[in-house]
Amino acid sequence: AQSVSQHNHHVILSEAASLELGCNYSYGGTVNLFWYVQYPGQHLQLLLKYFSGDPLVKGIKGFEAEFIKSKFSFNLRKPSVQWSDTAEYFCAVNTNAGKSTFGDGTTLTVKP
Amino acid sequence: SQTIHQWPATLVQPVGSPLSLECTVEGTSNPNLYWYRQAAGRGLQLLFYSVGIGQISSEVPQNLSASRPQDRQFILSSKKLLLSDSGFYLCAWSREMNNYGYTFGSGTRLTVV
Repeated sequence: AQSVSQHNHHVILSEAASLELGCNYSYGGTVNLFWYVQYPGQHLQLLLKYFSGDPLVKGIKGFEAEFIKSKFSFNLRKPSVQWSDTAEYFCAVNTNAGKSTFGDGTTLTVKP
Repeated sequence: SQTIHQWPATLVQPVGSPLSLECTVEGTSNPNLYWYRQAAGRGLQLLFYSVGIGQISSEVPQNLSASRPQDRQFILSSKKLLLSDSGFYLCAWSREMNNYGYTFGSGTRLTVV
């Protein structure tokens, strides 16, 4: 069965710092990859997705992620974080019949 | 546009009581539907998914069951709740094969006492 690992449980940054959240998955076949975000008090929502084409994908609010097939990775990046990026971030892999396997999540706290 | 409704938002139930959580989707037809449980610091665990009316797949053995009586309705049930059923339950829908990601409901916080 596929699995998803998010390396950092809790990340604390100051505003304007750069962000990179790691995500690795275990599955040898074709994958669709996702990052979801849950802002305090809000629903889980899709941040960005990859399923084919350019391995560098851009999402909402200046986030991007790079799919590196050889490393089984899909890391999330943002050049300069804002206080409003404080949230929990989940990486997910979709492999079979539309089902997604999620990582344990990373809580990002951005200090103003 | 597509929307997903999930209720109730919070629920406190005694051990041994029944459970029924409902999820409905609007604005799309033949969605894939999912029930997940989210534990603090543990991510989301897939409980059930459905690709059509009456078609339910269970991912983990447990005290819960799911049903899909209509195309856009997904129900999570239990005949007798256990303390270990406490948690945050999320309903989600996706298009066939989930190429565009999930849309999640607002979730139900279930506390079994």
